[in-house]
Amino acid sequence: GAVVSQHPSWVICKSGTSVKIECRSLDFQATTMFWYRQFPKQSLMLMATSNEGSKATYEQGVEKDKFLINHASLTLSTLTVTSAHPEDSSFYICSARAREGLAVEQFFGPGTRLTVL
Amino acid sequence: AQKVTQAQTEISVVEKEDVTLDCVYETRDTTYYLFWYKQPPSGELVFLIRRNSFDEQNEISGRYSWNFQKSTSSFNFTITASQVVDSAVYFCALIGGGTSYGKLTFGQGTILTVHP
Repeated sequence: GAVVSQHPSWVICKSGTSVKIECRSLDFQATTMFWYRQFPKQSLMLMATSNEGSKATYEQGVEKDKFLINHASLTLSTLTVTSAHPEDSSFYICSARAREGLAVEQFFGPGTRLTVL
Repeated sequence: AQKVTQAQTEISVVEKEDVTLDCVYETRDTTYYLFWYKQPPSGELVFLIRRNSFDEQNEISGRYSWNFQKSTSSFNFTITASQVVDSAVYFCALIGGGTSYGKLTFGQGTILTVHP
């Protein structure tokens, strides 16, 4: 149980285009989903927290107009990188917190590797 | 504010050696949770353990063991008889209470390389 999927697993795009990454909780309902970014040889940095049906809360320094987050249902959150540039190339990881059970438990997706040319 | 420090950036050992990964944390919360994750080259985070602040019992799981000491704000991780498959990046992380409740704060990570 507690499986989180991400799609796509990797994507290559041209500078200036937008890319959408999906995060799904497959066997549980997630009231909260988190989006992290990880640059090579660095740690995971929280970008934003999204709650189903409400606006995402962004961490300091993260541009909300560039990284659009939608959490339209209890099993799906999407991250759209708008007008992507090479500096946005990174590994993006989502996690989901279940509606039931231990409130601190987060289940991680496998990550999406974004390369912007 | 909460912080997790993993002072060891990289560790290299030979197979069968024991290795300890250090983790020191800072939080003002009395209730908090500590985690260890493994990140193999594939990138997917693998959950290893969760500890709450009220449970200082050390834990052993196979070749893995964890030493939680509130007095020194440390949560160290030991791998006994290391194997090549243990090569990965290991992250220590913290969830505190208050305004940061639910948010995971990660340490910088320790790259462990186990040579045959």
